[in-house]
Amino acid sequence: SQQGEEDPQALSIQEGENATMNCSYKTSINNLQWYRQNSGRGLVHLILIRSNEREKHSGRLRVTLDTSKKSSSLLITASRAADTASYFCATDRNNDMRFGAGTRLTVKP
Amino acid sequence: SQTIHQWPATLVQPVGSPLSLECTVEGTSNPNLYWYRQAAGRGLQLLFYSVGIGQISSEVPQNLSASRPQDRQFILSSKKLLLSDSGFYLCAWSAGLAGVGTQYFGPGTRLLVL
Repeated sequence: SQQGEEDPQALSIQEGENATMNCSYKTSINNLQWYRQNSGRGLVHLILIRSNEREKHSGRLRVTLDTSKKSSSLLITASRAADTASYFCATDRNNDMRFGAGTRLTVKP
Repeated sequence: SQTIHQWPATLVQPVGSPLSLECTVEGTSNPNLYWYRQAAGRGLQLLFYSVGIGQISSEVPQNLSASRPQDRQFILSSKKLLLSDSGFYLCAWSAGLAGVGTQYFGPGTRLLVL
């Protein structure tokens, strides 16, 4: 299916460590986006990477996209306790955007 | 700047009662509007989207309906709630082609059907 699947489902790290989350999908896409959701809140857009791009950076965030493997990764460097949240990838194909189930990240102070 | 509002924030309703959740967007014209449902600890399920007034597309058959009476107003309704309608409901908007590009989410409504 087009819907992305995040891996791992949950990740727990210490403050200062890097966090890597992965997203895999099964069909071709136009772009892929990562969103963050604090507990009980709406989603906040983090970064969009187009199908012809391989890597993008935004502050402490680094996103890669490998269309041959149909996968993307989100790296958060030097994590902080405030990064604790759920992170979702969303795949965009022909005016149709679908969200995965998310990775729950816990950063321990 | 654009803002999106949802209310109420929390709602507890008995089974069989009606539902009306409202979402409004400010600061933009002719937005694409979306209703999602999120089960506890799960991803988002797209319920409805709208590209214009009176234009509603339904993604999954269900006990819910949506309406867009004004350009920046999107309403999610039910005539009779089921227990399975419990969840976290999120409204979102985007510009340009529907389903393409960044979506901006409201704060959500947590619905508990008892």
